[in-house]
Amino acid sequence: AQTVTQSQPEMSVQEAETVTLSCTYDTSESDYYLFWYKQPPSRQMILVIRQEAYKQQNATENRFSVNFQKAAKSFSLKISDSQLGDAAMYFCAYGSSNTGKLIFGQGTTLQVKP
Amino acid sequence: GAVVSQHPSWVICKSGTSVKIECRSLDFQATTMFWYRQFPKQSLMLMATSNEGSKATYEQGVEKDKFLINHASLTLSTLTVTSAHPEDSSFYICSASHVASGRPLTQYFGPGTRLLVL
Repeated sequence: AQTVTQSQPEMSVQEAETVTLSCTYDTSESDYYLFWYKQPPSRQMILVIRQEAYKQQNATENRFSVNFQKAAKSFSLKISDSQLGDAAMYFCAYGSSNTGKLIFGQGTTLQVKP
Repeated sequence: GAVVSQHPSWVICKSGTSVKIECRSLDFQATTMFWYRQFPKQSLMLMATSNEGSKATYEQGVEKDKFLINHASLTLSTLTVTSAHPEDSSFYICSASHVASGRPLTQYFGPGTRLLVL
């Protein structure tokens, strides 16, 4: 069975600084996807970034980028130039190409200090 | 694009009654919809997967007779909590995805429904 682990329950960052959220996963599948979702206080889940496992190049979306280390089964999220609106709970998720199901990590609450 | 709506956003009901929650994909056809439950400050727990026109697949430990799921069209899935009890109070979230070239794509989430059973 696949598992996703986020070892940082809480993180904080100063506005305009950079922060990295950690995520590791375990799987025996060769074809899968990885995601970071953001859940602000409204509780709406928002897709931040997506990475296909077969792609070596790390995904980027504006201020958000990932460091995907397939051999180490690591998938960290870097947020550059942090903004107050980035404050939220961040979930790392593993997506099975087989079933389409997502397996979520425990989440990391990010606080952004002005 | 990729907008998913959920209705209602908030529902309070009496113990023993049934509650129906709707999940709609507004601008794409969702071959698969998922239902999750989330307790405060916890992660999302997958309850069931539904494919249009077929029976839902429930995760282990989820009572199929209590949480009835119907996926009648490519844009609508419903979750009915039958004979609700206070322990069913939670935040229910749906998501929708579509398949292209045999590969499931990204899940897009609805805004969630807060259920309070008195």
